[in-house]
Amino acid sequence: EVQLLESGGGLVQPGGSLRLSCAASGFFFSSNAMSWVRQAPGKGLEWVSTISGSGANTYYANSVKGRFTISRDNSKNTLYLQMNSLRAEDTAVYYCAKSQYAYIDYWGQGTLVTVSS
Amino acid sequence: QPVLTQPPSASGTPGQRVTISCSGSSSNIGSNYVYWYQQLPGTAPKLLIYSSNQRPSGVPDRFSGSKSGTSASLAISGLRSEDEADYYCAAWDDSLSVVFGGGTKLTVL
Repeated sequence: EVQLLESGGGLVQPGGSLRLSCAASGFFFSSNAMSWVRQAPGKGLEWVSTISGSGANTYYANSVKGRFTISRDNSKNTLYLQMNSLRAEDTAVYYCAKSQYAYIDYWGQGTLVTVSS
Repeated sequence: QPVLTQPPSASGTPGQRVTISCSGSSSNIGSNYVYWYQQLPGTAPKLLIYSSNQRPSGVPDRFSGSKSGTSASLAISGLRSEDEADYYCAAWDDSLSVVFGGGTKLTVL
């Protein structure tokens, strides 16, 4: 059974940093691209970033480019999202997702990030 | 502002057939597959349709997807109360990004 378990969310001040983690199990992690998708309170889904299975290729939404960094540790079956220079508009539930481009077949339960002073 | 355009709401009565549209451009829907996700209240999204018109195992055949040019649609036949949810379309964009629609809230009257 595929499981994706996010952690690391919480309250952070504007301009601060946070690192999200996603522990994956139930599939061959290093063979699969992974993504982060977020959802602001009461709003729709917004793609944030995708990383290839090897980690060699990364893609970012314009809204986070230069501030967020996606990475993975295939030896630990873990996906990360380092978020710097956080803004109020980054407040959202962040979902870890097993994906291939826009094909997302498994989603985590999400972790809430709140950016506020 | 979402790249893909969906109606914000749709509704139908039990047993009816409803369709939800998704409009894009040549760089996303026009040249790539479309995916549909269902998000029940308070839960994570779930894949409903992949490769524009394919259903994952376990998704009832009441759900169907289609694509024509730069538009796509999701059809739900035999509407049931448990279909009340938010529905999102998504596609890969040739600018190397994933784009989503703004979502359609489906109400079963």
